[in-house]
Amino acid sequence: AQSVTQLGSHVSVSEGALVLLRCNYSSSVPPYLFWYVQYPNQGLQLLLKYTTGATLVKGINGFEAEFKKSETSFHLTKPSAHMSDAAEYFCAVSAPMEYGNKLVFGAGTILRVKS
Amino acid sequence: DAGVIQSPRHEVTEMGQEVTLRCKPISGHNSLFWYRQTMMRGLELLIYFNNNVPIDDSGMPEDRFSAKMPNASFSTLKIQPSEPRDSAVYFCASRGGRSYNEQFFGPGTRLTVL
Repeated sequence: AQSVTQLGSHVSVSEGALVLLRCNYSSSVPPYLFWYVQYPNQGLQLLLKYTTGATLVKGINGFEAEFKKSETSFHLTKPSAHMSDAAEYFCAVSAPMEYGNKLVFGAGTILRVKS
Repeated sequence: DAGVIQSPRHEVTEMGQEVTLRCKPISGHNSLFWYRQTMMRGLELLIYFNNNVPIDDSGMPEDRFSAKMPNASFSTLKIQPSEPRDSAVYFCASRGGRSYNEQFFGPGTRLTVL
C-alpha cells in the first residue's frame, strides 16, 4: 500500500533562510510524486511533480524537490524563504498502474516565515 | 480555462437540513474527486468518478452522504440530513487522461452546520 509521511506538522523559518520540508513515501512500484501548496482559504495548487527522468525537479516560486529512490524521499526545498511562502504544503504520491487514479496525501506541513 | 468551479463558496445551514454542493470540472477531464478537509482529520478523499462512473466511495463517511455525476461537466455532493460534525471545507478536483494523476483543485466550499 502507498503511504506518505511528512515530518513536522509545523516548520518555522526566518525570511531569507533555507526552507526544507520533508516527505517520505512508501510504494511497491515506481511512484509519481507531487508537492501541492495551499494558501489560506484557497484550494490546493500544484508546486511541482516528479514523473520520470531527472530526479531534481523545479517548480513554481523557486521551489525544487529531489526524488531519492534509495531513501524513498521527496523533500521540498527553497534557498531563500519569502513572507509569501507562508502556507500549508502537502506531499502526495500515486502509482497509476497499480492503484488507479488516486493520490495519497501526507498530513501537511504548515510553513511559517518570520520577518 | 476557468479551472474547477465549485458552488457555493460558503454555506451555513442548520442541523437536519439538506445540503448540496456543486462542482464543474475542467473541460476534457475524465476523473473527478471529492475531498473533505478538517483540522482534526486533514484532507480525506470521499469518492471519485471515472468517466462519470463512481469508482471508489470507500471514503464516504455514512449513508447521509451521496454523490452523483450525471454528465462529464457536473457533479454534486449531497448531505441529508446534515450534522454539525459535517462542518468542513469540501474540495472538488479533476484530472485529465494524460497528466500522471495530477489533480486540479477547485477553491472549495466552506460548510458550517449549526
